[in-house]
Amino acid sequence: ETGVTQSPTHLIKTRGQQVTLRCSSQSGHNTVSWYQQALGQGPQFIFQYYREEENGRGNFPPRFSGLQFPNYSSELNVNALELDDSALYLCASSFRRAAGNEKLFFGSGTQLSVL
Amino acid sequence: KQEVTQIPAALSVPEGENLVLNCSFTDSAIYNLQWFRQDPGKGLTSLLLIQSSQREQTSGRLNASLDKSSGRSTLYIAASQPGDSATYLCAAPNSGGGADGLTFGKGTHLIIQP
Repeated sequence: ETGVTQSPTHLIKTRGQQVTLRCSSQSGHNTVSWYQQALGQGPQFIFQYYREEENGRGNFPPRFSGLQFPNYSSELNVNALELDDSALYLCASSFRRAAGNEKLFFGSGTQLSVL
Repeated sequence: KQEVTQIPAALSVPEGENLVLNCSFTDSAIYNLQWFRQDPGKGLTSLLLIQSSQREQTSGRLNASLDKSSGRSTLYIAASQPGDSATYLCAAPNSGGGADGLTFGKGTHLIIQP
């Protein structure tokens, strides 16, 4: 059973650019969610995908978008990067049987620096 | 809107001590609460998930309790070891259905002195 993997591990971009982060879910998991963690803070929920559709979103602007593929892997896209987008981006997968009670399994994250 | 607070923000204790980390949440209509561990620059590792119907959950030297009525959870670590040094985060769901993700506290940064 493979865990959640994210790529790349580190990324440096300049303000205004676009970035794509990737996540492979743990085997057998059908739900993926993305979180942004600024230094010294807890992770903040960006959005969640279930069976290739976004079914929940946090307080993030539309320039944060995502995709989930048939194999349940996922991408996070951020357009028009701002300095405040510098953070650790975490992907988490789970198997959604019913509403709630599923454990989340996190990847090691992508550290994004916007200069 | 769910808000999660963790106390203390940081804790440094000698090896071998038993310790308690505290977590409070504002919306008690939750179906579970999770505790995670995070090592510097790394992702999160799930430690314990307590369902709303449970009052506590145990894994090895870790015990987590949940009191929905008071909006509190505690993580008890017995016989602490230097390898327990990490940041511990608790997280509560933003809605009953789970599709709105989790709200995390800022964490308790724990240092166990050898």
